[in-house]
Amino acid sequence: GQNIDQPTEMTATEGAIVQINCTYQTSGFNGLFWYQQHAGEAPTFLSYNVLDGLEEKGRFSSFLSRSKGYSYLLLKELQMKDSASYLCAVKNAGNMLTFGGGTRLMVKP
Amino acid sequence: GAGVSQSPSNKVTEKGKDVELRCDPISGHTALYWYRQSLGQGLEFLIYFQGNSAPDKSGLPSDRFSAERTGGSVSTLTIQRTQQEDSAVYLCASSLVRAGPFQLAGGVDTQYFGPGTRLTVL
Repeated sequence: GQNIDQPTEMTATEGAIVQINCTYQTSGFNGLFWYQQHAGEAPTFLSYNVLDGLEEKGRFSSFLSRSKGYSYLLLKELQMKDSASYLCAVKNAGNMLTFGGGTRLMVKP
Repeated sequence: GAGVSQSPSNKVTEKGKDVELRCDPISGHTALYWYRQSLGQGLEFLIYFQGNSAPDKSGLPSDRFSAERTGGSVSTLTIQRTQQEDSAVYLCASSLVRAGPFQLAGGVDTQYFGPGTRLTVL
């Protein structure tokens, strides 16, 4: 079966750094995605990891450890516009994405 | 536009009625997916189309749900005899190709989402 866990909610301060964790147990692994979803909008692609290590993209970085079934999304220099839900999704051996419940991040001044 | 489009953006219907939701994927994308997202919840996979292959319907919650994809492009999700628990946002996504293991990023197999259809069943 598929099981993906991430915290339901997090709060952080503008300008700070926040790390959103995701742990997964899936049958087959073919990559892990992070999506950002603002309230009332569609998810938008942030990052993709298939090999162990850190992928950096500007203020956002994503890390993967396949042996631990663990990933995190790191957001630096937080801005108010980063307030959104962050969805962790794992692709199985086919082409299917299984999503976690999402982490709602609130950035406060 | 170059993105995934969906229509209608909002649909209010009465319990027991049938509804059709439409998705236009990104031109050239061979894979198309339907998801459902209830308020405050994660995305629930419904159905997946890849090229001319038989669709993967493993996520459809009941036989009231069906989908088709005509000409390998536009897809329609049909819900018959709607129930109040069907109320949700229905999201469509498309991706370029079906990637094998360890396909490098470059976003080739990334799913791009449409704006969704918010369905309310009264």
